Amino acid sequence: QTVVTQEPSLSVSPGGTVTLTCGLSSGSVSTGSGPSWYQQTPGQAPRTLIYLTNTRSSGVPDRFSGSILGNRAALTITGAQADDEADYHCGLYLATGIWVFGGGTRLTVL
Amino acid sequence: EVQMVESGGGLVQPGGSLRLSCAVSGFSLRGPWMSWVRQAPGKGLEWVATIVGDVSEKKYVDSVKGRFVISKDYAKNSVSLQMDSLTAEDTAMYFCAKVSTKSSFDYWGQGILVTVSS
Repeated sequence: QTVVTQEPSLSVSPGGTVTLTCGLSSGSVSTGSGPSWYQQTPGQAPRTLIYLTNTRSSGVPDRFSGSILGNRAALTITGAQADDEADYHCGLYLATGIWVFGGGTRLTVL
Repeated sequence: EVQMVESGGGLVQPGGSLRLSCAVSGFSLRGPWMSWVRQAPGKGLEWVATIVGDVSEKKYVDSVKGRFVISKDYAKNSVSLQMDSLTAEDTAMYFCAKVSTKSSFDYWGQGILVTVSS
């Protein structure tokens, strides 16, 4: 069973930088699994931020960036703003038509 | 403008069935892969099912195999999820999602709540 791990919660000061990561319980995350990141605020549907490791979706501010750090996928927010406070979900593409998500990271901006 | 609107959720008893529908507009269902993703209360996202292309393949998470069926209705431009033998573990918000060509999801519906309880 593939388990994707994310930090349960993180906090960042307004204007600060924070990195959220996404790993596999066994093995490494690579660009081959096309890591994607989704932002979700309470009561709302997810919004796609990043796909294919580091490509921003249309309309996503450039303070959001994706990368591979070591054996994990990473989402970095540079210059965090109050409205970045949300849950962030990492998704990995495992095979044709099959995805797995992490448990999500709750980001607090304070 | 792409819009995706789910319907068909609600309260159902354990062992019961529900059929979710996702009406789409702004694009044709011919070609795109479509998925259902769910989120149990207070939990993360869970991929549930994908219909690959024009029904060439259907993929399911292990926990719903044999109980759920995903389908497309081109006449209605909608995607459905037939859910049978429901258990409390199926209680979640269910989102319809369009798969982009880039191994991720580019559009999401607003979600529909399914509650399995006696």
